[in-house]
Amino acid sequence: AQKVTQAQTEISVVEKEDVTLDCVYETRDTTYYLFWYKQPPSGELVFLIRRNSFDEQNEISGRYSWNFQKSTSSFNFTITASQVVDSAVYFCALNVASGSRLTFGEGTQLTVNP
Amino acid sequence: GAVVSQHPSRVICKSGTSVKIECRSLDFQATTMFWYRQFPKKSLMLMATSNEGSKATYEQGVEKDKFLINHASLTLSTLTVTSAHPEDSSFYICSARDITEAFFGQGTRLTVV
Repeated sequence: AQKVTQAQTEISVVEKEDVTLDCVYETRDTTYYLFWYKQPPSGELVFLIRRNSFDEQNEISGRYSWNFQKSTSSFNFTITASQVVDSAVYFCALNVASGSRLTFGEGTQLTVNP
Repeated sequence: GAVVSQHPSRVICKSGTSVKIECRSLDFQATTMFWYRQFPKKSLMLMATSNEGSKATYEQGVEKDKFLINHASLTLSTLTVTSAHPEDSSFYICSARDITEAFFGQGTRLTVV
């Protein structure tokens, strides 16, 4: 069975601070995919990144960066110079085969205060 | 990127009535779609996997007679909440996959009064 743990239920920061959202996953499969989604108050899920288990390169996209470490089964997400618009719930998710369902973490509510 | 359209975005219905939610993949064919339910401040819980041309696969604890799923074509899956009760009030969201990614609909906020 697969499991995703996001230990941080809520995080509150002040604008321009950097913030890291943690994600730890469990799976026995050697091939798997990790995702991050953003869910703003409107409810829709916004895709942020997909990473397969064979690609441990860290990725940077603007103010967003992701640190994938198979040794610790972690796929952490960092927002640099946070902005109020970053306030949302962020979900980490895992699936073990292309086309299969996603297993979601519990989500982290990020609040960025002005 | 691929688009999944979910309709309606909000619906209020009376107890005892049925509500149908549609999920369409607009620019790709989806042999498999997924239906999730999300309670306030909670994660997304998979309800069922919808397979085109065959019966849906329901997760443990999900009543298949209450949550009817039909996947009649490669671009459309529907979820019907039958005989709705206030405890069915929730946010329902569908997902369709192509080869590489999962795309989500906008979600439907169902309120049963």
